[in-house]
Amino acid sequence: ETGVTQSPTHLIKTRGQQVTLRCSSQSGHNTVSWYQQALGQGPQFIFQYYREEENGRGNFPPRFSGLQFPNYSSELNVNALELDDSALYLCASSTGQGLGEQYFGPGTRLTVT
Amino acid sequence: QKEVEQNSGPLSVPEGAIASLNCTYSDRVSQSFFWYRQYSGKSPELIMSIYSNGDKEDGRFTAQLNKASQYVSLLIRDSQPSDSATYLCAAGLYNNNDMRFGAGTRLTVKP
Repeated sequence: ETGVTQSPTHLIKTRGQQVTLRCSSQSGHNTVSWYQQALGQGPQFIFQYYREEENGRGNFPPRFSGLQFPNYSSELNVNALELDDSALYLCASSTGQGLGEQYFGPGTRLTVT
Repeated sequence: QKEVEQNSGPLSVPEGAIASLNCTYSDRVSQSFFWYRQYSGKSPELIMSIYSNGDKEDGRFTAQLNKASQYVSLLIRDSQPSDSATYLCAAGLYNNNDMRFGAGTRLTVKP
């Protein structure tokens, strides 16, 4: 167990809807990164938050947005859901700005119908 | 060209053997490299990080990095059936704090 938690575990949404996923980082960690993992693929970087600021972003459209709170927990929001958004969404926590060791939470399985 | 490439496998080894997993990366600015293990239906679990050329050992695991050849490997000694999983290689791109993952190599250790 990494101490990183995510909620909910599973979620089913309809195309066009909006979704919010949540992540609590491991104690002592101030950086949260979000990833999307499609079946049979490696995780794809969405964005990273460090001390409540976006600190890097992957090749995802603006309808993917996020927040980090003063306690370093984080949210991932996805608007106008598409069928291709169906995936496992992972958050990972780490310390410091940049690319140190990242520890993943259990993930949220999102299904868009 | 994919930025991080791994053989998809499956790689099958007998119990007690050495499993060798390989990874190449295309971006020369990558500075940090990681190996993760992912069991079916679970999230990735960090095995090891490596930042400098050479070998790094941790228990039964040894990571090897060769920046000139843009090559990272993971050796698992005395493989156990519990090591059966998908192994993900990741390279960090510092210009965007972007961690690029390969698609993973599926390892099966047969008793």
